[in-house]
Amino acid sequence: DIQMTQSPSSLSASVGDRVTITCRASQTISRHLNWYQQKPGKAPQLLIFAASGLQGGVPSRFSGIGFGTEFTLTINSLQPDDFATYYCQQTYSTPSTFGQGTKVESK
Amino acid sequence: EVQLVESGGGLVQPGGSLRLSCAASGFNFNNYAMDWVRQAPGKAPEWVSYISSSGDTISYVDSVKGRFTISRDNAKNSVSLQMNSLRAEDTAVYYCARAGLAAADTFDSWGQGTLVTVSS
Repeated sequence: DIQMTQSPSSLSASVGDRVTITCRASQTISRHLNWYQQKPGKAPQLLIFAASGLQGGVPSRFSGIGFGTEFTLTINSLQPDDFATYYCQQTYSTPSTFGQGTKVESK
Repeated sequence: EVQLVESGGGLVQPGGSLRLSCAASGFNFNNYAMDWVRQAPGKAPEWVSYISSSGDTISYVDSVKGRFTISRDNAKNSVSLQMNSLRAEDTAVYYCARAGLAAADTFDSWGQGTLVTVSS
């Protein structure tokens, strides 16, 4: 199975900050990488698909980039609603696998 | 509006069985593959099972093969997960998720989840 490793595991940030989360795959996955946001007690929600595609309804302050084994999710100008846990997911091979998550907390 | 509503979770003893159901509405269910994804407390999500739109292609994560069975009823807009020989490590919130049309493993809509607890 492909292992997905996110860094950092958690971070503290303030409203208005630019936040960057990294996801690394244990082998190349081309652009088969999604990002999800999850709030406590809720289901994950798709933010970014195929490394850089913005899911409908997701604010443009969210962006993704990457190819191969290294990927980045950036949140420009962090908003109060963005404090949550973020997961990357590879869809290159079955089973699809998720990173361990990055919790974005208020500083 | 896409809606996915899971039911059937609960407390079960090790070795027991449960059947989860997911009722879908707000989209053409016949056109979409569906998945079950679970999340143990404090852990990342884990893909569990996939069923194609017609039901003729099915897959499972290795840890549930031979114990779990996914099925769907397109006439009733529903997907189910029969879980047998349950183990403590199956304890999790189980989500029904819709697979995107462009990529089968991209989950573009999720239900609210149903909690399965395996404990004596």
